Amino acid sequence: DSGVTQTPKHLITATGQRVTLRCSPRSGDLSVYWYQQSLDQGLQFLIQYYNGEERAKGNILERFSAQQFPDLHSELNLSSLELGDSALYFCASSGQGRHTEAFFGQGTRLTVV
Amino acid sequence: DAKTTQPNSMESNEEEPVHLPCNHSTISGTDYIHWYRQLPSQGPEYVIHGLTSNVNNRMASLAIAEDRKSSTLILHRATLRDAAVYYCIPNTGNQFYFGTGTSLTVIP
Repeated sequence: DSGVTQTPKHLITATGQRVTLRCSPRSGDLSVYWYQQSLDQGLQFLIQYYNGEERAKGNILERFSAQQFPDLHSELNLSSLELGDSALYFCASSGQGRHTEAFFGQGTRLTVV
Repeated sequence: DAKTTQPNSMESNEEEPVHLPCNHSTISGTDYIHWYRQLPSQGPEYVIHGLTSNVNNRMASLAIAEDRKSSTLILHRATLRDAAVYYCIPNTGNQFYFGTGTSLTVIP
C-alpha cells in the first residue's frame, strides 16, 4: 500500500459527459501529480500541484483541469469526454524535498462509451 | 527533461541477477536518477534513486557511471514478482517524465 488513495477505481461514462477523479496523497506530502496511461501512449505526465499551487504542466488537454485543496487532496476534472480519453489515470504524491521519491495510487480506470 | 534510452525488453532466469541499463547522456548535474517499476494493472512503484555514488536498498542496487551518463539497476536475484516494466527517470525539479521503459520477463 503506497498510502495514496484514488477514487473511484472504475468509471464508465458516455461521450460528452464530465467526470471528477479524486486523489488523497500520503500523509504529509505536499506535491500531487496526475498521469494518464493509455495503451498506445504510455505514462503521460499531466500536471503537478504543490501545496495548492500549480507547479508544472505537461500534456494536459484544455478540456481537463485539476486543483489541490487546502487539505491537500486533489481532483482531476475531465469534461466533454471523448472515446480517446479512455485510460488509466494515476495520481502520485511526494514530500517536500527537492528530490524525494513519488508514490503512486492504484489508478482510476476510465472507460468512455 | 533529460532523454533516456533503455532496452525495450529483457529476459532473466529466476534467481539469477539482472542488470537493467539506462543511458541518460543529457542529464544535468543536479538531477537525481530515479527508477520505478510498474507491474501489470498496477500503479508505478518506486524502486531506488541516487545522485552520484552507488546506492543499495532492500529492493535493488543502483550503479551510476562516473560521468553520470548512464546507470544500471541491479536486481540481485530475480523472482517472478519482479516481472514488470522498469523505468529510468532523471528527476528534474521533482517532476517525473516516464519513457517507454524496459519490460522484464522472468523465466521460471
